[in-house]
Amino acid sequence: DAGVTQSPTHLIKTRGQHVTLRCSPISGHKSVSWYQQVLGQGPQFIFQYYEKEERGRGNFPDRFSARQFPNYSSELNVNALLLGDSALYLCASSLVGVIGGIHGNTIYFGEGSWLTVV
Amino acid sequence: GQNIDQPTEMTATEGAIVQINCTYQTSGFNGLFWYQQHAGEAPTFLSYNVLDGLEEKGRFSSFLSRSKGYSYLLLKELQMKDSASYLCAVRDSGGSYIPTFGRGTSLIVHP
Repeated sequence: DAGVTQSPTHLIKTRGQHVTLRCSPISGHKSVSWYQQVLGQGPQFIFQYYEKEERGRGNFPDRFSARQFPNYSSELNVNALLLGDSALYLCASSLVGVIGGIHGNTIYFGEGSWLTVV
Repeated sequence: GQNIDQPTEMTATEGAIVQINCTYQTSGFNGLFWYQQHAGEAPTFLSYNVLDGLEEKGRFSSFLSRSKGYSYLLLKELQMKDSASYLCAVRDSGGSYIPTFGRGTSLIVHP
Protein backbone atom coordinates (compact mmCIF):
# COMPACT_ATOMS: atom_id res chain seq x y z
CA ASP A 1 0.00 0.00 0.00
CA ALA A 2 1.18 3.50 -0.73
CA GLY A 3 2.03 5.73 2.16
CA VAL A 4 1.02 9.34 2.53
CA THR A 5 1.65 11.13 -0.74
CA GLN A 6 2.13 14.86 -1.18
CA SER A 7 2.49 17.17 -4.13
CA PRO A 8 4.32 19.12 -5.27
CA THR A 9 7.59 18.06 -3.66
CA HIS A 10 9.33 21.37 -4.26
CA LEU A 11 8.08 24.77 -5.33
CA ILE A 12 9.21 28.38 -5.43
CA LYS A 13 6.75 31.24 -5.05
CA THR A 14 6.97 35.01 -4.89
CA ARG A 15 5.84 37.10 -1.94
CA GLY A 16 2.14 37.86 -2.14
CA GLN A 17 1.30 34.82 -4.23
CA HIS A 18 -0.95 31.94 -3.29
CA VAL A 19 -0.02 28.28 -2.96
CA THR A 20 -2.00 25.04 -2.80
CA LEU A 21 -0.45 21.88 -1.43
CA ARG A 22 -2.06 18.48 -1.80
CA CYS A 23 -2.06 15.31 0.25
CA SER A 24 -3.46 11.80 -0.10
CA PRO A 25 -3.61 9.78 3.13
CA ILE A 26 -2.76 6.14 3.60
CA SER A 27 -5.59 3.97 2.27
CA GLY A 28 -8.18 3.54 5.00
CA HIS A 29 -7.03 6.54 7.02
CA LYS A 30 -9.73 9.12 7.57
CA SER A 31 -7.79 11.82 9.39
CA VAL A 32 -5.31 14.22 7.87
CA SER A 33 -3.23 16.80 9.68
CA TRP A 34 -0.87 19.47 8.37
CA TYR A 35 2.38 20.65 9.92
CA GLN A 36 4.90 23.36 9.10
CA GLN A 37 8.55 22.65 9.80
CA VAL A 38 11.20 25.33 9.51
CA LEU A 39 14.87 24.46 9.58
CA GLY A 40 16.10 23.40 13.00
CA GLN A 41 12.65 23.14 14.53
CA GLY A 42 10.15 20.40 15.13
CA PRO A 43 6.92 20.25 13.11
CA GLN A 44 4.33 22.85 14.15
CA PHE A 45 0.68 21.85 13.94
CA ILE A 46 -1.48 23.81 11.49
CA PHE A 47 -4.74 21.90 10.94
CA GLN A 48 -6.40 18.57 11.54
CA TYR A 49 -9.32 17.21 9.52
CA TYR A 50 -11.38 14.13 10.25
CA GLU A 51 -14.34 12.98 8.19
CA LYS A 52 -14.12 16.20 6.17
CA GLU A 53 -14.53 18.43 9.21
CA GLU A 54 -11.92 20.63 10.84
CA ARG A 55 -11.12 19.16 14.25
CA GLY A 56 -8.18 21.26 15.28
CA ARG A 57 -6.30 24.42 14.34
CA GLY A 58 -2.89 25.57 15.43
CA ASN A 59 -1.66 29.09 15.99
CA PHE A 60 -1.46 30.20 12.36
CA PRO A 61 -2.96 33.28 10.69
CA ASP A 62 -6.12 33.21 8.61
CA ARG A 63 -3.98 33.23 5.45
CA PHE A 64 -3.73 29.49 6.07
CA SER A 65 -6.76 27.36 5.23
CA ALA A 66 -7.43 23.75 4.41
CA ARG A 67 -10.12 21.32 3.46
CA GLN A 68 -10.68 17.59 3.20
CA PHE A 69 -12.47 15.91 0.33
CA PRO A 70 -14.89 12.94 0.29
CA ASN A 71 -12.02 10.62 -0.63
CA TYR A 72 -10.15 11.90 2.48
CA SER A 73 -7.47 13.68 0.48
CA SER A 74 -6.72 17.21 1.59
CA GLU A 75 -5.47 20.58 0.42
CA LEU A 76 -3.58 23.25 2.33
CA ASN A 77 -3.89 26.77 0.97
CA VAL A 78 -1.74 29.72 1.92
CA ASN A 79 -2.59 33.21 0.69
CA ALA A 80 -0.47 36.35 0.53
CA LEU A 81 2.77 34.44 0.98
CA LEU A 82 5.48 35.90 3.18
CA LEU A 83 9.18 35.11 3.21
CA GLY A 84 8.66 33.50 6.60
CA ASP A 85 6.32 30.93 5.09
CA SER A 86 9.32 29.21 3.54
CA ALA A 87 9.35 25.78 5.15
CA LEU A 88 8.72 22.08 4.74
CA TYR A 89 4.98 21.42 4.84
CA LEU A 90 4.17 17.97 6.12
CA CYS A 91 0.94 16.09 5.79
CA ALA A 92 0.23 13.22 8.17
CA SER A 93 -2.59 10.70 8.28
CA SER A 94 -4.01 8.40 10.91
CA LEU A 95 -6.78 5.86 11.17
CA VAL A 96 -9.06 7.92 13.34
CA GLY A 97 -9.21 11.48 14.55
CA VAL A 98 -10.24 11.15 18.15
CA ILE A 99 -8.67 9.77 21.28
CA GLY A 100 -9.31 6.10 21.84
CA GLY A 101 -8.46 4.78 18.43
CA ILE A 102 -6.23 1.80 17.89
CA HIS A 103 -2.46 2.06 17.51
CA GLY A 104 -2.52 5.11 19.75
CA ASN A 105 -3.66 7.17 16.78
CA THR A 106 -0.11 7.22 15.49
CA ILE A 107 0.33 9.73 12.72
CA TYR A 108 2.35 8.84 9.64
CA PHE A 109 4.01 11.55 7.61
CA GLY A 110 4.33 12.09 3.90
CA GLU A 111 7.58 13.21 2.30
CA GLY A 112 6.55 16.84 2.50
CA SER A 113 6.40 19.82 0.20
CA TRP A 114 9.35 22.18 0.27
CA LEU A 115 8.10 25.73 -0.20
CA THR A 116 10.51 28.57 -0.86
CA VAL A 117 9.12 32.11 -0.94
CA VAL A 118 11.35 34.69 -2.60
CA GLY B 1 -0.15 24.27 26.77
CA GLN B 2 2.83 21.98 26.52
CA ASN B 3 6.54 22.41 27.03
CA ILE B 4 8.86 19.78 25.59
CA ASP B 5 12.59 19.84 26.14
CA GLN B 6 15.29 17.72 24.53
CA PRO B 7 19.00 18.31 23.89
CA THR B 8 19.82 20.11 20.67
CA GLU B 9 22.69 17.91 19.59
CA MET B 10 24.49 14.74 20.60
CA THR B 11 27.44 12.84 19.18
CA ALA B 12 28.31 9.17 19.58
CA THR B 13 30.60 6.53 18.14
CA GLU B 14 29.58 3.76 15.80
CA GLY B 15 28.75 0.62 17.75
CA ALA B 16 28.09 2.49 20.98
CA ILE B 17 24.87 3.12 22.90
CA VAL B 18 23.24 6.55 23.16
CA GLN B 19 20.31 7.78 25.25
CA ILE B 20 18.29 10.79 24.09
CA ASN B 21 16.22 12.37 26.85
CA CYS B 22 12.94 14.22 26.61
CA THR B 23 11.17 16.05 29.43
CA TYR B 24 7.73 17.49 29.12
CA GLN B 25 5.14 19.51 30.98
CA THR B 26 1.58 19.08 29.83
CA SER B 27 -1.95 19.57 31.07
CA GLY B 28 -2.95 15.92 31.07
CA PHE B 29 -1.14 13.22 29.17
CA ASN B 30 -2.24 10.81 26.46
CA GLY B 31 0.86 9.36 24.89
CA LEU B 32 4.42 10.12 23.84
CA PHE B 33 5.92 9.45 20.43
CA TRP B 34 9.45 9.28 19.06
CA TYR B 35 10.15 9.98 15.41
CA GLN B 36 13.36 9.80 13.39
CA GLN B 37 14.00 12.41 10.71
CA HIS B 38 16.91 12.25 8.30
CA ALA B 39 18.03 15.51 6.75
CA GLY B 40 15.69 16.57 3.97
CA GLU B 41 13.21 13.80 4.67
CA ALA B 42 9.93 13.41 6.52
CA PRO B 43 9.75 12.09 10.11
CA THR B 44 9.26 8.34 10.44
CA PHE B 45 7.52 6.74 13.40
CA LEU B 46 9.75 4.91 15.89
CA SER B 47 7.77 4.30 19.07
CA TYR B 48 4.72 5.10 21.15
CA ASN B 49 4.48 5.01 24.97
CA VAL B 50 1.36 5.64 26.99
CA LEU B 51 2.12 3.55 30.11
CA ASP B 52 5.21 3.69 32.33
CA GLY B 53 8.06 1.43 31.42
CA LEU B 54 10.30 0.34 28.62
CA GLU B 55 9.20 -0.58 25.11
CA GLU B 56 11.84 -2.43 23.12
CA LYS B 57 11.94 -2.66 19.36
CA GLY B 58 15.12 -4.13 17.97
CA ARG B 59 18.04 -1.75 18.48
CA PHE B 60 15.69 1.01 19.65
CA SER B 61 13.95 1.22 23.03
CA SER B 62 11.79 3.93 24.52
CA PHE B 63 11.11 4.54 28.19
CA LEU B 64 8.40 6.58 29.87
CA SER B 65 7.86 7.87 33.41
CA ARG B 66 4.60 9.80 33.57
CA SER B 67 5.10 10.95 37.16
CA LYS B 68 8.42 12.54 36.21
CA GLY B 69 7.31 13.85 32.83
CA TYR B 70 10.28 12.08 31.33
CA SER B 71 11.10 9.79 28.44
CA TYR B 72 14.21 8.57 26.73
CA LEU B 73 15.04 6.89 23.46
CA LEU B 74 17.85 4.35 23.68
CA LEU B 75 19.75 3.42 20.54
CA LYS B 76 22.06 0.42 20.71
CA GLU B 77 24.80 -0.77 18.36
CA LEU B 78 24.86 2.58 16.65
CA GLN B 79 25.27 2.67 12.90
CA MET B 80 26.26 5.56 10.69
CA LYS B 81 22.75 5.58 9.22
CA ASP B 82 21.39 6.44 12.67
CA SER B 83 22.70 9.98 12.20
CA ALA B 84 19.46 11.94 12.13
CA SER B 85 17.21 14.20 14.15
CA TYR B 86 15.10 12.48 16.81
CA LEU B 87 11.80 14.15 17.64
CA CYS B 88 9.90 13.69 20.88
CA ALA B 89 6.16 14.43 20.62
CA VAL B 90 3.58 14.51 23.39
CA ARG B 91 -0.18 14.31 23.20
CA ASP B 92 -2.25 15.85 25.95
CA SER B 93 -5.68 14.76 27.09
CA GLY B 94 -7.44 17.96 26.13
CA GLY B 95 -9.69 16.34 23.54
CA SER B 96 -7.51 16.65 20.46
CA TYR B 97 -5.23 13.78 19.63
CA ILE B 98 -2.71 15.97 17.87
CA PRO B 99 0.78 15.60 19.38
CA THR B 100 3.05 18.56 20.02
CA PHE B 101 6.63 18.14 18.83
CA GLY B 102 9.84 19.17 20.50
CA ARG B 103 12.63 20.82 18.52
CA GLY B 104 14.40 17.54 17.97
CA THR B 105 17.84 16.20 18.90
CA SER B 106 20.41 16.04 16.14
CA LEU B 107 22.45 12.86 16.59
CA ILE B 108 25.79 12.59 14.84
CA VAL B 109 27.35 9.13 14.69
CA HIS B 110 31.04 9.08 13.79
CA PRO B 111 33.33 6.14 13.02
